[in-house]
Amino acid sequence: AQSVTQLGSHVSVSEGALVLLRCNYSSSVPPYLFWYVQYPNQGLQLLLKYTTGATLVKGINGFEAEFKKSETSFHLTKPSAHMSDAAEYFCAVTVNTNAGKSTFGDGTTLTVKP
Amino acid sequence: EAQVTQNPRYLITVTGKKLTVTCSQNMNHEYMSWYRQDPGLGLRQIYYSMNVEVTDKGDVPEGYKVSRKEKRNFPLILESPSPNQTSLYFCASSLGQGGGMNTEAFFGQGTRLTVV
Repeated sequence: AQSVTQLGSHVSVSEGALVLLRCNYSSSVPPYLFWYVQYPNQGLQLLLKYTTGATLVKGINGFEAEFKKSETSFHLTKPSAHMSDAAEYFCAVTVNTNAGKSTFGDGTTLTVKP
Repeated sequence: EAQVTQNPRYLITVTGKKLTVTCSQNMNHEYMSWYRQDPGLGLRQIYYSMNVEVTDKGDVPEGYKVSRKEKRNFPLILESPSPNQTSLYFCASSLGQGGGMNTEAFFGQGTRLTVV
């Protein structure tokens, strides 16, 4: 079975600062990795995903993430935070051998200070 | 517009009164799933369905039922709700194609359920 750990349930940055949200996964087979964002009173929407190929993936709103197999990590970054980035972020992993089930991390709430 | 629609968005009910939360998707997705979201626990899968008439338990299935009679609909049924089922519920769908959720998942807006 797979698992996901998001380090830090709350992250606070100043507007314009680097955003770094950490995600580590565990999987015995090649994983598919996702980052989702949840704004208040809304469902989750996809930010970016890694399936195969290039390990640095770019998503919407200037976010990107790098798949590092040796570190079993898929950290989410953005060079310069905007106030509109304040939301909850979820990392998720899926493997084909487990009926395609997705396992989500506990989430990280990002606060952006003016 | 591609979307997953859940109803109702908000629901307050009493212990033991059967309820159904509907979920419908218009993307012809094979894979559908229900999650509950609780503070500090992230999203936990309740049930999932890989296709019509194919459903299976997720991580927290106790107290819930589902059905998948049509590809587009995947209702969540609470036959005898209890206060510990107070939560925020999300329905999601994905293309699937036998690989489950290895493609993007589309989520509904959520249903906030309170059981008193």
